[in-house]
Order: sequence, then structure tokens, then C-alpha cells
Amino acid sequence: DIQVTQSPSTLSASVGDRVTITCRASQTISSWLAWYQQKPGKAPNLLIYQASILQNGVPSRFSGSGSGTEFTLTVSSLHPDDFATYYCQQYWTHPETFGPGTKVEIK
Amino acid sequence: EVQLVESGGGLVQPGGSLRLSCATSGFIFDDYALHWVRQPPGKGLEWVSGISWRGDTIGYADSVKGRFTISRDNAKNSLSLQMNSLRVEDTALYYCAKDRDLVPALGRTPFASWGPGTLVTVSS
Repeated sequence: DIQVTQSPSTLSASVGDRVTITCRASQTISSWLAWYQQKPGKAPNLLIYQASILQNGVPSRFSGSGSGTEFTLTVSSLHPDDFATYYCQQYWTHPETFGPGTKVEIK
Repeated sequence: EVQLVESGGGLVQPGGSLRLSCATSGFIFDDYALHWVRQPPGKGLEWVSGISWRGDTIGYADSVKGRFTISRDNAKNSLSLQMNSLRVEDTALYYCAKDRDLVPALGRTPFASWGPGTLVTVSS
């Protein structure tokens, strides 16, 4: 199975900050990577797929980049609603595997 | 609007069985693969099992292979997960999830829609 790692595991930031989360796959996955946002007590919500394509309804302050084995999720200016946990997922091969998550908390 | 709603969770003793169901609406059920994803309390997401739109391709995580069985009823727009020989480490919130895109088997598309989850607790 492809292993997926994320860094950092926790990120402290303030409203208005630009934040970046990194995701790495144990082997090349081209652009077959998704990002999800999960808030406490809620199901994950798909933000980005194919590494850089915004899912319908996702604000443009979210962006994704990368290919191969290294990917990033960037929030250009944190809103209060963005404090949550973010997961990346590779879907190049089955089984689809998730990263361990990055919690974005209020500084 | 796409909706998925899980049911069937509860408290069960180690070695016991439980059957989860996922009722769906708002999309053409037999066009999409479906999955079960779980999340232990306070931890991350783990894909558990998936089934293709026709039901002819099925996958399981190594951690549940031989104990869990996924199935779908395209006439009733429902997905199920039969869980046998449950272990304490199976304790988690279990989500039903739908592929974003139409694909012939499993993989090559993320999970676009999720249910709210049903909690399974395995404890003596």
C-alpha cells in the first residue's frame, strides 16, 4: 500500500494568516491526490481533487499544488471557519490511503 | 441533494457481530462505487472497504479482511457492512462515502459525499 504522510501534525495560526500543509506519498501518484477538511463532530468534506482542482463551492482562498510525491494545501488568508483538521488522500491505487491529518488551531 | 445516512452502530462485545447499513438518496445509486471509512475516537481516517457500482469489484483493508463483508442492494439504494469477530480496535465512527466520479471499478476518484457516521463500540 502507498503510505501518505503530512506535516506539520499541528499548526497554530491567526485569522488572516497564510498557511501551508505538506503531504508526501511513499511512491509517485501523479496528481491523484485529494484534500479534505474535517470539523469536530462532522464528516470530512472534499476540498480539492486531482491535486489542484477546487471542489464545487469551496472558497478560492484554498489552493492545492504538487505532483509525483509531494503536495501542498495552501489557505491564502485564514478565516475563522477554517480552523479544522485537514487530511490528504491518495487515490492513485487501491486501497486509497489517507494522511494522518493536520490540525489547524487558533494561535 | 446527495444524502447518505448510516445506521446499525452500537455497543458489542469482543468477538461479536454487527451489521451497518447506509441509506442513500439524491443520486443514481447504481452508477457509483461506495465505501466504508472509519475513524477511531480522536484519531485519523482509515478506508475499510469499497464496492464497485456493479458489485463485481470489492476491496478490504488488511485489518478487516476475512471478518467484514461489504454488499450493496441496487434495488433499495443501500449499502451494508457485515462485521464479524469484532475486536476492541474496531471501535470507531463508521462513515459511508460515495465516489465523486463514475469509474468502472475502485480507485481513481476521491470521496465526494459522506454520511454523518454511526458509532461502533467494541468493549466487554
